Amino acid sequence: DAKTTQPPSMDCAEGRAANLPCNHSTISGNEYVYWYRQIHSQGPQYIIHGLKNNETNEMASLIITEDRKSSTLILPHATLRDTAVYYCIVRVAQVYSGGGADGLTFGKGTHLIIQP
Amino acid sequence: DSGVTQTPKHLITATGQRVTLRCSPRSGDLSVYWYQQSLDQGLQFLIQYYNGEERAKGNILERFSAQQFPDLHSELNLSSLELGDSALYFCASSVEEGRGGNTIYFGEGSWLTVV
Repeated sequence: DAKTTQPPSMDCAEGRAANLPCNHSTISGNEYVYWYRQIHSQGPQYIIHGLKNNETNEMASLIITEDRKSSTLILPHATLRDTAVYYCIVRVAQVYSGGGADGLTFGKGTHLIIQP
Repeated sequence: DSGVTQTPKHLITATGQRVTLRCSPRSGDLSVYWYQQSLDQGLQFLIQYYNGEERAKGNILERFSAQQFPDLHSELNLSSLELGDSALYFCASSVEEGRGGNTIYFGEGSWLTVV
């Protein structure tokens, strides 16, 4: 799987948009970009994923550059409850039976701190 | 609530003992994953099952084993426990194996403390 690079920490003011960058310059054409977050010692929470196109759901937006080498997760109106570690993960789109794990490989992520 | 249920939530045991962690995947999910999270190692993939069969192994010690039962629940068995096994153990599930577009959902974890 391709590796990702994220800043170790970021601050954002409450009510503002939080923009979390991720570099995945070695991503393959068949790899998805996934975002999860983990609020202290809770289970990782799925946020959003995408392959090529930008995606939006009720939690966030995912902007993937045209060359797919980087992406940005956008939390439109950050609240204190959004303080968490955010993980950007690339995941192969198809693993054939017996071909190995199709799970998620977590890096160190970005510790996002929302300031009141 | 992700729909993945793990028990027990907290467990304290002595070195050398054996424990079993249980996971019920989301309804309809056939694939189960186990992860370990310790303070110094981050989230580490241990093992994956699909519909009762082992699919892949990650950084799982030989003292650890897992299985997935016909009703699709899974158990992670940890034996000859050492202090360093103290960690959060997460179970996760997804609908199918092998399709990266299928989201993996995590449970809330089981806290294991070895004393």
